Amino acid sequence: DIQMTQSPSTLSASVGDRVTITCRASQSISTWLAWYQQKPGKAPNLLIYTASSLESGVPSRFSGSGSGTEFTLTISSLQPDDFATYYCQHYYSYPWTFGQGTKVEIK
Amino acid sequence: QLQLQESGPGLVKPSETLSLTCTVSGGSISSSSFYWGWIRQPPGKGLEWIGTIYYNGRPYYNPSLKSRVTLSLDTSKNQFSLRLNSVTAADTAVYYCARRPVGDGYTFNQWGQGTLVIVSS
Repeated sequence: DIQMTQSPSTLSASVGDRVTITCRASQSISTWLAWYQQKPGKAPNLLIYTASSLESGVPSRFSGSGSGTEFTLTISSLQPDDFATYYCQHYYSYPWTFGQGTKVEIK
Repeated sequence: QLQLQESGPGLVKPSETLSLTCTVSGGSISSSSFYWGWIRQPPGKGLEWIGTIYYNGRPYYNPSLKSRVTLSLDTSKNQFSLRLNSVTAADTAVYYCARRPVGDGYTFNQWGQGTLVIVSS
């Protein structure tokens, strides 16, 4: 299985901050990577697919980059609604796997 | 607007079979445009892909669960289902059903709200 490792596990930030989350794959996955946002008690919500494509309806302050084994999710200016947990997920081959999550907390 | 809704028992006894159904509204599960999947999340933990079933009924399973899991489609009811047998406390989780568009580059872009299943005697 391809292992996905996110860093940091927890991130404390303020409204307006630029935030970057990293996801590393244990082997190359090309750009078959997605990012999800999850709020407590809710299902994950797709933000980014194919590493850098913005899902319809997602604010443009979210962006993704990377290829191969290293990827980043950037929030250009953190908003109150963005405090949540973020997961990366590869879909290069079965079994699909997720990172362990990064919780973005209010500083 | 397509919607997915999980349903099934919220409590299952150890060694028994967990059975969940996902009802799809606003679209057909027979459509060749989508695949259908299940993902679970133990309380306070991360996400685990369980499996995906294609519109033609072909399933793909997570090897960690493959010996215990079965996915199926019921086109007459516009539903797809998950069966997980010989459950233990480790199978306690919120179970989500989700939709994935067909084609390269696509992953789960629409999810049900999730249903909590507790395995306990």
